[in-house]
Amino acid sequence: GQNIDQPTEMTATEGAIVQINCTYQTSGFNGLFWYQQHAGEAPTFLSYNVLDGLEEKGRFSSFLSRSKGYSYLLLKELQMKDSASYLCAVMDSNYQLIWGAGTKLIIKP
Amino acid sequence: DVKVTQSSRYLVKRTGEKVFLECVQDMDHENMFWYRQDPGLGLRLIYFSYDVKMKEKGDIPEGYSVSREKKERFSLILESASTNQTSMYLCASSLGQGHTGELFFGEGSRLTVL
Repeated sequence: GQNIDQPTEMTATEGAIVQINCTYQTSGFNGLFWYQQHAGEAPTFLSYNVLDGLEEKGRFSSFLSRSKGYSYLLLKELQMKDSASYLCAVMDSNYQLIWGAGTKLIIKP
Repeated sequence: DVKVTQSSRYLVKRTGEKVFLECVQDMDHENMFWYRQDPGLGLRLIYFSYDVKMKEKGDIPEGYSVSREKKERFSLILESASTNQTSMYLCASSLGQGHTGELFFGEGSRLTVL
């Protein structure tokens, strides 16, 4: 079957760096997405990786290794507003999105 | 500013009632989707549509139906609500052919079935 794994919850300190991992086993691969979802709000798009390597976008970076079935989202200079759930999703060979359960990130002062 | 609007943020219904959840997008997107989001689970696709009057079953279509009479509007219908349909329902849209590209989500409709 198809599976996306990410930690359920993580805690980090304001100003620090945190890495949220996502591992996947899917039928084919057509890209990996990261979304951010604040409590009670809509998920919003953060990043898309289809080739191996690191994509940097301001304080957020996303890394992909297709051979390892692995991605991570790196958040630098953490701010309180980064407290949210982070959703990993993989597009399979049928262009269907397979979603992880999300990682709830708690930022402490 | 792009927007996906869901008609109701919170609904409480009784078992057996018919429920309509409406979603409107103002981005002229071809693709629209209905997901449900439950604690500890990833988003699960109920139905999607790539064009007006077109619909495709997702992973969990049982107990649901959809309607897309206009490009901007995609409705989710629960013909006879049951308690196991208590959930957060998210509508999304995207541009382009097929299920590709960035999804734009609505704020969600939290449905409680008593």
